[in-house]
Amino acid sequence: DIQMTQSPSTLSASVGDRVTITCRASQNISSWLAWYQQKPGKAPNLLIYKASGLESGVPSRFSGSGSGTEFTLTISSLQPDDSATYYCQQYYNSPAFGQGTKVEIK
Amino acid sequence: QVQLQESGPGLVKPSGTLSLTCAVSGGSVSSIYWWTWVRQSPGKGLEWIGEIHHSGSTNYNSSLKSRVTMSVDKSRNHFSLIVTSVTAADTAVYYCARGWQWLMSDWGPGTLVTVSS
Repeated sequence: DIQMTQSPSTLSASVGDRVTITCRASQNISSWLAWYQQKPGKAPNLLIYKASGLESGVPSRFSGSGSGTEFTLTISSLQPDDSATYYCQQYYNSPAFGQGTKVEIK
Repeated sequence: QVQLQESGPGLVKPSGTLSLTCAVSGGSVSSIYWWTWVRQSPGKGLEWIGEIHHSGSTNYNSSLKSRVTMSVDKSRNHFSLIVTSVTAADTAVYYCARGWQWLMSDWGPGTLVTVSS
């Protein structure tokens, strides 16, 4: 099974900051990686697909990059509404999620 | 815009059977999509359980495969999940979702299932 590892587990940043979250796969998954945002008590929401594709309706401050085993999610200018937990998910084969990164606003 | 809604017992006894249904509105279970179950527990984060297509084809997480069954009811436009021989480790919020190529683009709000005597 492919293991997904995110870092950091938690980060605290100010409004307007550039934020980067890293996700590593235990084997090559090409670009078959998605990012989700989850707010407390809510279901996850798809942000990014195929490593860098922006899902319809998602603000352009969100971007994804990477391929192979290392990927990043970047929020170019952190907004108060971005306070949430972010998960990566590989879909190269049987889907698996990272453990999540909680983003807090200072 | 498709909407999904999970339903089922919130409490299941250990060694019992967990049974959930996901009602689909604003779309048809007979479409091209795969109908998916994901669960989330504090200890294990998000876990993909499996998926079913209206043709009856299924894919299950290998770690749960021996205890999981999924089905689709086209007449009622819903799909279902059964997990047998449950333990406390199966306590989680269970989500149903609409998927395509293993991407989950639309989700239900989730339902908490607690395994306890």
